[in-house]
Amino acid sequence: DAKTTQPTSMDCAEGRAANLPCNHSTISGNEYVYWYRQIHSQGPQYIIHGLKNNETNEMASLIITEDRKSSTLILPHATLRDTAVYYCIVRVGGDMRFGAGTRLTVKP
Amino acid sequence: NAGVTQTPKFRVLKTGQSMTLLCAQDMNHEYMYWYRQDPGMGLRLIHYSVGEGTTAKGEVPDGYNVSRLKKQNFLLGLESAAPSQTSVYFCASSPPQRTIPFGPGTRLTVT
Repeated sequence: DAKTTQPTSMDCAEGRAANLPCNHSTISGNEYVYWYRQIHSQGPQYIIHGLKNNETNEMASLIITEDRKSSTLILPHATLRDTAVYYCIVRVGGDMRFGAGTRLTVKP
Repeated sequence: NAGVTQTPKFRVLKTGQSMTLLCAQDMNHEYMYWYRQDPGMGLRLIHYSVGEGTTAKGEVPDGYNVSRLKKQNFLLGLESAAPSQTSVYFCASSPPQRTIPFGPGTRLTVT
């Protein structure tokens, strides 16, 4: 599977949009981009995934560049409860590896 | 519909002891996974399975064995536990290319 690169940590003000970047420059054509988050030591929580097109659900939006070499997860109105480690993963088939993720801290 | 369950939730082993962790899912998912997470670290894939009777190695397979004899169960075995295997273990399942719900985790301490 392609490797991903994410910033180690980011801060965001409460109520503002949080934009979390992910670089996956070696992604292949049939690999999906997934985003998960982990709050404290709970099990990871699925957020969103996509292949080529931008995606939106009730939690977030996923913007994938046209060349698919990078993507951005957008939390439109971050709250304190969004403080977590966010993982960007590219995956095809069964092998799904998480990497180190970005620690997002939402501040009042 | 219980989703993904893990048994046990906590366990303390002495070095050299063996044990098996059970992951069960009732969603008829093809894929199942075992991860470990050490304090302050991300999740690392130990083994995974893409169907009944199949298993594959992940990033950190050494010291672990797995079996998928039934579609709904994925067993993770430690034949001779070591302190380096003290960790939180997470199981997950999914249909191919779909979202993956995770279990609540098993906290294992090896002394």
